[in-house]
Amino acid sequence: GESVGLHLPTLSVQEGDNSIINCAYSNSASDYFIWYKQESGKGPQFIIDIRSNMDKRQGQRVTVLLNKTVKHLSLQIAATQPGDSAVYFCAEIWGGGFKTIFGAGTRLFVKA
Amino acid sequence: EAQVTQNPRYLITVTGKKLTVTCSQNMNHEYMSWYRQDPGLGLRQIYYSMNVEVTDKGDVPEGYKVSRKEKRNFPLILESPSPNQTSLYFCASSPRTGSSGNTIYFGEGSWLTVV
Repeated sequence: GESVGLHLPTLSVQEGDNSIINCAYSNSASDYFIWYKQESGKGPQFIIDIRSNMDKRQGQRVTVLLNKTVKHLSLQIAATQPGDSAVYFCAEIWGGGFKTIFGAGTRLFVKA
Repeated sequence: EAQVTQNPRYLITVTGKKLTVTCSQNMNHEYMSWYRQDPGLGLRQIYYSMNVEVTDKGDVPEGYKVSRKEKRNFPLILESPSPNQTSLYFCASSPRTGSSGNTIYFGEGSWLTVV
C-alpha cells in the first residue's frame, strides 16, 4: 500500500544506539498518553502508556517520560535494533478515556 | 488469537454509492473506535463506542455513521461517499478496564478510494 507518512519528521540512528522520539501535546486535561509503533502496511501497535499523574514509566527497552509543565512526551528506545524501524505516534487520551488525539508521527530509521 | 478484523481491506468505489466497512473483535472488549489516517495528519478519530448501543462522535464524524448492535461488531457506514473520504481506515478495540485497560488493539486497516 502507499505510504501514509510522506511528510513525517525523521530520525535516523545507528543500530545499537539509543533513540529518543519527542512529542508535544495540547490538551492539559488528558488522562493518559500512549506510544504506538506502526510498521509499513500494518495497524498501529501499542508500545507503552503513562498516566497523567506519572513522570516516567519503563517497559522492555523503552522508557516514556512525561513533562506536564511544557506538555512534552518522549519515548526512549534503548539499544535500537533494525526491527525498531517504523513510524512512532504519541496519543493523548481524554474525555473519560474515550477520546483520542494522535500526533502526526515520527519515522525512525535504524542503520545496520 | 486476539484479533480486530476489518473488511474489506481494499476498496475502490464511486461517489455516492453507499458502503460499509465491517469491524469485528474477538476479545469481548467494551470499547471500539474508528480512525482515518491521512498523510501529514496522522490518525483522527471518527466515532467511538463505549458499549452496545452507546456511540459518540470523535473529531471527524461528518459523512460517517456507525452502529453497535452487538459487542463484537462496529461497522462504519458511508451513506454517500465523496472523494475527500479517500483514506486509510482503522478500527480499534480496548477493554478500558483493569491494568490492560489502556491497550488499544488495531485492525490491519482498510484502504478506501472514492472516485
